[in-house]
Amino acid sequence: EADIYQTPRYLVIGTGKKITLECSQTMGHDKMYWYQQDPGMELHLIHYSYGVNSTEKGDLSSESTVSRIRTEHFPLTLESARPSHTSQYLCASRHRGPNTEAFFGQGTRLTVV
Amino acid sequence: QKEVEQDPGPLSVPEGAIVSLNCTYSNSAFQYFMWYRQYSRKGPELLMYTYSSGNKEDGRFTAQVDKSSKYISLFIRDSQPSDSATYLCAMSATGANNLFFGTGTRLTVIP
Repeated sequence: EADIYQTPRYLVIGTGKKITLECSQTMGHDKMYWYQQDPGMELHLIHYSYGVNSTEKGDLSSESTVSRIRTEHFPLTLESARPSHTSQYLCASRHRGPNTEAFFGQGTRLTVV
Repeated sequence: QKEVEQDPGPLSVPEGAIVSLNCTYSNSAFQYFMWYRQYSRKGPELLMYTYSSGNKEDGRFTAQVDKSSKYISLFIRDSQPSDSATYLCAMSATGANNLFFGTGTRLTVIP
Protein backbone atom coordinates (compact mmCIF):
# COMPACT_ATOMS: atom_id res chain seq x y z
CA GLU A 1 0.00 0.00 0.00
CA ALA A 2 1.29 3.42 -0.97
CA ASP A 3 2.32 5.74 1.84
CA ILE A 4 1.07 9.02 0.50
CA TYR A 5 -1.44 11.03 2.46
CA GLN A 6 -3.68 13.94 1.64
CA THR A 7 -5.58 16.15 4.03
CA PRO A 8 -8.28 17.16 4.26
CA ARG A 9 -10.28 14.50 2.39
CA TYR A 10 -13.24 16.82 1.97
CA LEU A 11 -13.43 20.59 2.22
CA VAL A 12 -16.28 23.02 1.72
CA ILE A 13 -15.18 26.62 1.81
CA GLY A 14 -16.50 30.05 0.95
CA THR A 15 -15.42 32.16 -2.00
CA GLY A 16 -12.37 34.28 -1.35
CA LYS A 17 -10.88 32.13 1.36
CA LYS A 18 -7.26 31.01 1.33
CA ILE A 19 -6.79 27.26 1.56
CA THR A 20 -3.89 24.84 1.64
CA LEU A 21 -4.21 21.22 0.59
CA GLU A 22 -1.64 19.02 2.27
CA CYS A 23 0.23 16.10 0.70
CA SER A 24 2.90 14.02 2.40
CA GLN A 25 4.68 10.82 1.40
CA THR A 26 6.96 8.58 3.41
CA MET A 27 8.53 6.69 0.50
CA GLY A 28 11.40 9.10 -0.06
CA HIS A 29 10.22 9.85 -3.60
CA ASP A 30 11.82 12.80 -5.32
CA LYS A 31 9.03 13.43 -7.82
CA MET A 32 5.68 14.72 -6.64
CA TYR A 33 2.64 15.86 -8.61
CA TRP A 34 -0.70 17.57 -8.20
CA TYR A 35 -3.51 16.59 -10.55
CA GLN A 36 -7.02 17.94 -10.91
CA GLN A 37 -9.73 15.44 -11.72
CA ASP A 38 -13.25 16.28 -12.85
CA PRO A 39 -15.97 13.70 -13.68
CA GLY A 40 -15.49 12.15 -17.12
CA MET A 41 -12.26 14.04 -17.72
CA GLU A 42 -8.68 12.89 -17.74
CA LEU A 43 -6.35 13.83 -14.93
CA HIS A 44 -4.87 17.24 -15.57
CA LEU A 45 -1.40 17.98 -14.26
CA ILE A 46 -1.34 21.33 -12.46
CA HIS A 47 2.01 21.28 -10.63
CA TYR A 48 5.01 19.03 -10.26
CA SER A 49 8.31 18.88 -8.44
CA TYR A 50 11.46 16.85 -9.02
CA GLY A 51 12.96 17.58 -5.64
CA VAL A 52 13.41 20.09 -2.86
CA ASN A 53 13.11 23.71 -4.05
CA SER A 54 12.07 22.51 -7.51
CA THR A 55 8.52 23.28 -8.70
CA GLU A 56 6.98 23.65 -12.14
CA LYS A 57 3.54 24.42 -13.51
CA GLY A 58 1.79 21.65 -15.38
CA ASP A 59 -0.30 21.56 -18.52
CA LEU A 60 -3.43 22.95 -16.94
CA SER A 61 -3.24 26.60 -15.97
CA SER A 62 -4.00 27.00 -12.33
CA GLU A 63 -4.28 29.86 -9.90
CA SER A 64 -2.76 27.69 -7.21
CA THR A 65 0.83 27.66 -5.99
CA VAL A 66 2.99 24.92 -4.50
CA SER A 67 6.14 24.65 -2.43
CA ARG A 68 8.67 21.88 -1.84
CA ILE A 69 10.73 22.73 1.21
CA ARG A 70 11.01 19.12 2.35
CA THR A 71 11.19 15.97 0.22
CA GLU A 72 8.17 14.42 1.88
CA HIS A 73 5.85 17.44 1.78
CA PHE A 74 4.21 19.12 -1.24
CA PRO A 75 1.38 21.46 -0.22
CA LEU A 76 -0.87 23.24 -2.70
CA THR A 77 -2.27 26.68 -1.85
CA LEU A 78 -5.17 28.65 -3.29
CA GLU A 79 -4.89 32.29 -2.22
CA SER A 80 -8.50 33.13 -3.01
CA ALA A 81 -10.85 30.23 -3.67
CA ARG A 82 -13.54 30.53 -6.35
CA PRO A 83 -16.41 28.22 -7.34
CA SER A 84 -14.45 27.32 -10.50
CA HIS A 85 -11.86 25.69 -8.21
CA THR A 86 -14.41 23.08 -7.15
CA SER A 87 -12.85 19.75 -8.10
CA GLN A 88 -11.03 16.66 -6.87
CA TYR A 89 -7.32 17.26 -6.26
CA LEU A 90 -4.99 14.27 -6.37
CA CYS A 91 -1.41 14.20 -5.17
CA ALA A 92 1.03 11.60 -6.50
CA SER A 93 4.68 10.68 -6.10
CA ARG A 94 7.23 8.65 -8.04
CA HIS A 95 10.67 7.30 -7.37
CA ARG A 96 13.65 9.12 -8.89
CA GLY A 97 14.11 6.62 -11.77
CA PRO A 98 12.92 7.72 -15.23
CA ASN A 99 10.25 5.11 -15.73
CA THR A 100 8.49 4.36 -12.52
CA GLU A 101 4.88 4.12 -11.58
CA ALA A 102 3.04 6.86 -9.73
CA PHE A 103 1.41 6.32 -6.35
CA PHE A 104 -1.59 8.42 -5.49
CA GLY A 105 -3.08 9.80 -2.33
CA GLN A 106 -6.78 9.44 -1.56
CA GLY A 107 -7.57 12.87 -2.93
CA THR A 108 -9.13 16.04 -1.59
CA ARG A 109 -12.60 16.88 -2.78
CA LEU A 110 -12.89 20.66 -2.70
CA THR A 111 -16.16 22.53 -2.96
CA VAL A 112 -16.13 26.32 -3.08
CA VAL A 113 -19.48 27.92 -2.42
CA GLN B 1 -5.62 15.21 -30.78
CA LYS B 2 -5.38 13.84 -27.25
CA GLU B 3 -2.28 11.86 -26.37
CA VAL B 4 -4.40 9.07 -24.90
CA GLU B 5 -7.94 8.07 -25.82
CA GLN B 6 -10.10 5.91 -23.61
CA ASP B 7 -13.78 5.06 -23.95
CA PRO B 8 -15.43 6.51 -20.82
CA GLY B 9 -18.19 3.92 -20.81
CA PRO B 10 -20.08 3.31 -18.63
CA LEU B 11 -19.71 -0.43 -19.01
CA SER B 12 -22.03 -2.85 -17.20
CA VAL B 13 -21.40 -6.60 -17.16
CA PRO B 14 -22.80 -9.56 -15.21
CA GLU B 15 -20.72 -11.19 -12.54
CA GLY B 16 -18.32 -13.76 -13.99
CA ALA B 17 -17.99 -12.04 -17.37
CA ILE B 18 -14.70 -11.28 -19.07
CA VAL B 19 -14.15 -7.54 -19.30
CA SER B 20 -12.00 -5.83 -21.89
CA LEU B 21 -10.88 -2.25 -21.31
CA ASN B 22 -8.88 -0.40 -23.95
CA CYS B 23 -6.85 2.70 -24.66
CA THR B 24 -5.28 4.04 -27.81
CA TYR B 25 -2.47 6.54 -28.00
CA SER B 26 -0.76 8.70 -30.56
CA ASN B 27 2.80 9.11 -29.24
CA SER B 28 5.03 6.33 -30.55
CA ALA B 29 7.61 7.23 -27.88
CA PHE B 30 5.43 5.79 -25.11
CA GLN B 31 7.10 2.71 -23.69
CA TYR B 32 5.65 2.33 -20.21
CA PHE B 33 2.03 1.51 -19.68
CA MET B 34 0.01 1.40 -16.51
CA TRP B 35 -3.52 0.58 -15.46
CA TYR B 36 -5.02 2.15 -12.37
CA ARG B 37 -8.24 1.29 -10.57
CA GLN B 38 -10.12 4.07 -8.84
CA TYR B 39 -13.01 3.44 -6.50
CA SER B 40 -15.53 6.18 -5.93
CA ARG B 41 -14.15 9.02 -3.79
CA LYS B 42 -10.71 7.38 -3.60
CA GLY B 43 -7.37 7.98 -5.27
CA PRO B 44 -6.22 5.76 -8.16
CA GLU B 45 -4.33 2.60 -7.17
CA LEU B 46 -1.85 0.89 -9.47
CA LEU B 47 -3.07 -2.43 -10.92
CA MET B 48 -0.62 -3.33 -13.67
CA TYR B 49 2.62 -1.93 -15.06
CA THR B 50 4.11 -3.11 -18.34
CA TYR B 51 7.00 -2.15 -20.55
CA SER B 52 6.90 -2.12 -24.35
CA SER B 53 4.84 -4.75 -26.15
CA GLY B 54 3.54 -8.04 -24.86
CA ASN B 55 1.33 -9.47 -22.15
CA LYS B 56 1.51 -9.44 -18.39
CA GLU B 57 -0.74 -11.47 -16.15
CA ASP B 58 -1.53 -11.01 -12.47
CA GLY B 59 -4.30 -13.18 -11.09
CA ARG B 60 -7.53 -12.36 -12.88
CA PHE B 61 -5.96 -9.37 -14.65
CA THR B 62 -4.06 -9.42 -17.94
CA ALA B 63 -2.50 -6.35 -19.54
CA GLN B 64 -1.68 -6.36 -23.24
CA VAL B 65 0.34 -3.85 -25.22
CA ASP B 66 0.38 -3.68 -29.01
CA LYS B 67 2.83 -0.95 -29.91
CA SER B 68 2.39 -1.44 -33.64
CA SER B 69 -1.27 -0.48 -33.30
CA LYS B 70 -0.70 1.94 -30.39
CA TYR B 71 -3.30 0.03 -28.45
CA ILE B 72 -3.35 -1.32 -24.91
CA SER B 73 -5.89 -3.50 -23.16
CA LEU B 74 -6.75 -4.69 -19.70
CA PHE B 75 -8.68 -7.95 -19.39
CA ILE B 76 -10.49 -8.94 -16.23
CA ARG B 77 -11.51 -12.60 -15.99
CA ASP B 78 -14.32 -13.86 -13.76
CA SER B 79 -15.33 -10.31 -12.94
CA GLN B 80 -16.61 -9.64 -9.44
CA PRO B 81 -18.84 -6.89 -8.02
CA SER B 82 -15.76 -5.67 -6.16
CA ASP B 83 -14.20 -4.89 -9.55
CA SER B 84 -16.78 -2.12 -10.01
CA ALA B 85 -14.67 1.02 -10.32
CA THR B 86 -13.21 3.43 -12.84
CA TYR B 87 -10.17 2.09 -14.68
CA LEU B 88 -7.57 4.56 -15.94
CA CYS B 89 -4.80 3.85 -18.38
CA ALA B 90 -1.58 5.84 -18.13
CA MET B 91 1.63 5.88 -20.11
CA SER B 92 4.96 7.61 -20.42
CA ALA B 93 7.94 7.82 -22.73
CA THR B 94 11.43 6.64 -21.80
CA GLY B 95 13.11 9.15 -19.56
CA ALA B 96 10.03 11.35 -19.43
CA ASN B 97 8.93 12.70 -16.10
CA ASN B 98 5.22 13.05 -16.78
CA LEU B 99 2.48 10.51 -17.18
CA PHE B 100 -0.38 10.82 -19.63
CA PHE B 101 -3.75 9.53 -18.52
CA GLY B 102 -6.92 8.41 -20.26
CA THR B 103 -10.28 9.71 -19.07
CA GLY B 104 -11.08 6.42 -17.34
CA THR B 105 -13.74 3.78 -18.03
CA ARG B 106 -16.42 3.30 -15.42
CA LEU B 107 -17.15 -0.40 -14.93
CA THR B 108 -20.08 -1.91 -13.02
CA VAL B 109 -20.21 -5.65 -12.36
CA ILE B 110 -23.75 -6.71 -11.59
CA PRO B 111 -24.21 -9.58 -9.10
